Amino acid sequence: LAKTTQPISMDSYEGQEVNITCSHNNIATNDYITWYQQFPSQGPRFIIQGYKTKVTNEVASLFIPADRKSSTLSLPRVSLSDTAVYYCPLSGTYKYIFGTGTRLKVLA
Amino acid sequence: SQTIHQWPATLVQPVGSPLSLECTVEGTSNPNLYWYRQAAGRGLQLLFYSVGIGQISSEVPQNLSASRPQDRQFILSSKKLLLSDSGFYLCAWRGTGTYEQYFGPGTRLTVT
Repeated sequence: LAKTTQPISMDSYEGQEVNITCSHNNIATNDYITWYQQFPSQGPRFIIQGYKTKVTNEVASLFIPADRKSSTLSLPRVSLSDTAVYYCPLSGTYKYIFGTGTRLKVLA
Repeated sequence: SQTIHQWPATLVQPVGSPLSLECTVEGTSNPNLYWYRQAAGRGLQLLFYSVGIGQISSEVPQNLSASRPQDRQFILSSKKLLLSDSGFYLCAWRGTGTYEQYFGPGTRLTVT
C-alpha cells in the first residue's frame, strides 16, 4: 500500500475556500482515496472518499485527476471549527496507511 | 446505527506491567477491525487488523499482541509495557465492501 505525502501545515481565514493536496504517486489500481479529519484527543472522522474525477458531499469536495497520482480536498468557506489535522490515507483491500497529515489552522 | 466503544479512556501504567485494552462494535456484523497508535503530535501507526474471528494481521513487531475472541470484540495486549508504548490508542472498524473507517474515542496510555 502506497504512502501519501501532504503539506505539513496550512493557515487560512474564516470564510475562505481551502484546498489541501495529497500526493500518492504509487497508488494501486484497487486503492480508493479517503480523507479524514482529526481534532485533538479524538479519533479521526471520515470526510469523503473517491476513486476518480470529482466527488462532493455536504462538507467537502474531492478532486482526483485522471492519473490518480494526487488528490485535492476542498473545504468551502471554512470556519474556526475546521481547525484540525487532515489525513489522506489510501484504502486498499484491508489496510490503510496514514501519513503525518496536514495541520490546518483557521484564523479569525 | 453503529457504535464503537473503547475502554478505558485513560490509563497510567508502570514499565513492565501488563496491558489490556478492549474495543467493541455494535450494530454491524463481520466488521474489519483495526488498532492504531498515535504518538504525541504524530500520525497514526497501524498496529493490527483483523478480518474475522481469530484472524489477526500484525503490522509492527513489538511487545504488543491482539486478539479477536468474538466477531465484534478486539483486544490489544502486552505482557510487559515499555516507555515507548505510551501514546493514544485508537480502535476502528470498517464494514465489508466499504472503504470508510469509523474510529472509537481512544485510550490515552502513559507508561511511567
